[in-house]
Amino acid sequence: EVQLLDSGGGLVQPGGSLRLSCAASGFTFSSSAMSWVRQAPGKGLEWVSAISGSGDSTYYADSVKGRFTISRDNSKNTLYLQMDSLRVEDTAEYYCAKGLGTTIGRFEYWGQGTLVTVSS
Amino acid sequence: EIVLTQSPATLSLSPRETATLSCRASQSVSTYLAWYQQRPGQAPRLLIYDASNRATGIPARFSGSGSGTDFTLTISSLEPEDFAIYYCQHRRNWPLTFGQGTRLEIK
Repeated sequence: EVQLLDSGGGLVQPGGSLRLSCAASGFTFSSSAMSWVRQAPGKGLEWVSAISGSGDSTYYADSVKGRFTISRDNSKNTLYLQMDSLRVEDTAEYYCAKGLGTTIGRFEYWGQGTLVTVSS
Repeated sequence: EIVLTQSPATLSLSPRETATLSCRASQSVSTYLAWYQQRPGQAPRLLIYDASNRATGIPARFSGSGSGTDFTLTISSLEPEDFAIYYCQHRRNWPLTFGQGTRLEIK
């Protein structure tokens, strides 16, 4: 059974940093592209970042480029999102998502989400 | 950036009716379009990928069609658990984007 366990969210001040983690199990992690998708309270879905199975290729939304860094440790079956220079508008539920097959951009399975609140 | 526009914003129907949801892209996405369902307090769930392929475990009452800029998600014979928010999403190029969602509510 595929499982994705998001963690690392919390309350942080504007300008601060946070690192999210997503522990994966039940599939061959190193073969799967992974993404982060967020949802502000009461709003729709916004794709944040994606990474290939090997970790060689990374992609970012313009809203987070230069501030967020996606990475993965295939030996630990874990996906990360390092978030720096956080802004109030980054407040959201953050979901990790597994790609369908090896293709980036189709979100077959989702974590339960971890809430990030940026506030002074 | 490709903008996806979903209509209607809210759709009010009764169980056993058929729902037709629309997603229009600002430029062609070929068939690189997916549909997701999100129930309150839950993570989204993949329903349809590449415009017309049902994801694993998705009931046959869910079907997708379209190509280029116009897409449709059809839900036949609505069940109580189908009342939720539905999002379309493209993977034609970067950045990936979602539509703003259609809320399907019980009439």
